Amino acid sequence: KAGVTQTPRYLIKTRGQQVTLSCSPISGHRSVSWYQQTPGQGLQFLFEYFSETQRNKGNFPGRFSGRQFSNSRSEMNVSTLELGDSALYLCASSHRTVRETQYFGPGTRLLVL
Amino acid sequence: GESVGLHLPTLSVQEGDNSIINCAYSNSASDYFIWYKQESGKGPQFIIDIRSNMDKRQGQRVTVLLNKTVKHLSLQIAATQPGDSAVYFCAESWTGGTSYGKLTFGQGTILTVHP
Repeated sequence: KAGVTQTPRYLIKTRGQQVTLSCSPISGHRSVSWYQQTPGQGLQFLFEYFSETQRNKGNFPGRFSGRQFSNSRSEMNVSTLELGDSALYLCASSHRTVRETQYFGPGTRLLVL
Repeated sequence: GESVGLHLPTLSVQEGDNSIINCAYSNSASDYFIWYKQESGKGPQFIIDIRSNMDKRQGQRVTVLLNKTVKHLSLQIAATQPGDSAVYFCAESWTGGTSYGKLTFGQGTILTVHP
């Protein structure tokens, strides 16, 4: 069974631009969670989607948004990019949503200049 | 608020030694715990998990211990190998309320295994 895939793997953007990242979960997994990883803050939860509904959201500004499609694939969008948004964005999927192991993709490395 | 902290940011061992990585958590309501390994340039890789109704769980060369009384979690790696060198994260989850899909991660411990 293929693992979680994320595209693109690397991105370079400039301040003020917006970016869309994509995540394809493991086949059969319906829950997708997104995390931001930075050296200073570590791994922080962004949001979680299940059956196309956002069910949980972390403490991030409204510039961070996401969505999930009927095939469970998910996208996250960051608008009006700031230098501090430079990070590794990780997507994780699980079969359901609670007490389920989350399996992570390789991440998208975003650099904002 | 919820937080998961690690006692030691770095751990250096010799190949063949046993390694112990510790983690303290603060949310007594947490009922699911996971250890992940992250190698450079990769996403976190699942190692082992444990639910709050257990105090020990063993996998291949790894053992996780959970002490709910002192809110402490540990990962033991037997016969550590150079390929075990990575950053190790503990994560906790509270499956009640609206904590859907949210894992709270510790800061990570860098494990270096010397040949």
